[in-house]
Amino acid sequence: DAGVTQSPTHLIKTRGQQVTLRCSPKSGHDTVSWYQQALGQGPQFIFQYYEEEERQRGNFPDRFSGHQFPNYSSELNVNALWLGDSALYLCASSLGGGSDTQYFGPGTRLTVL
Amino acid sequence: AQSVSQHNHHVILSEAASLELGCNYSYGGTVNLFWYVQYPGQHLQLLLKYFSGDPLVKGIKGFEAEFIKSKFSFNLRKPSVQWSDTAEYFCAVNGDNQGGKLIFGQGTELSVKP
Repeated sequence: DAGVTQSPTHLIKTRGQQVTLRCSPKSGHDTVSWYQQALGQGPQFIFQYYEEEERQRGNFPDRFSGHQFPNYSSELNVNALWLGDSALYLCASSLGGGSDTQYFGPGTRLTVL
Repeated sequence: AQSVSQHNHHVILSEAASLELGCNYSYGGTVNLFWYVQYPGQHLQLLLKYFSGDPLVKGIKGFEAEFIKSKFSFNLRKPSVQWSDTAEYFCAVNGDNQGGKLIFGQGTELSVKP
């Protein structure tokens, strides 16, 4: 039973560039949530996707956008990168689009230079 | 605004010592509560959760947590820690009108000396 997978593992970008991160949910899950974890902090909720729609959004600017595909996998896109976007980006999967238990992937470490 | 506070940023214990990590939240409605653990080099793993029922919940590896509604607290406990419990521990809350949004505390780093 595959857990949550994310790619790539690490990524280095320069300011102003755009980045796409990918996530495949745990087998049987249909909901994907994205979090940003800065160094020394707890994860912060970016948004959640269910039935290919953004269902809920945290306090992040429009530069952060996402997509969910019919196979439930998801992408996180960040435009116009700046230094403060450097963080670990976590994907979590769950079932049913609501408050069910979320299971986390290993994350993508993004460094913006 | 909903928030979660973990008072202990770094805890250092010797093996066999008892552990209690504090977690308080601010939210007026019904909550689901979680503790996650992040071992060095590994991803976040669910330790235990509370949705309803008995406020004393037991998780993996001998951990337990007690939900005290009147104190808005969900403290994590373990009677006797092991060196392998060295990790970062996160408390998280999901409010009843928050959909799937988890609010995390800033984490407590636990170091267990052998």
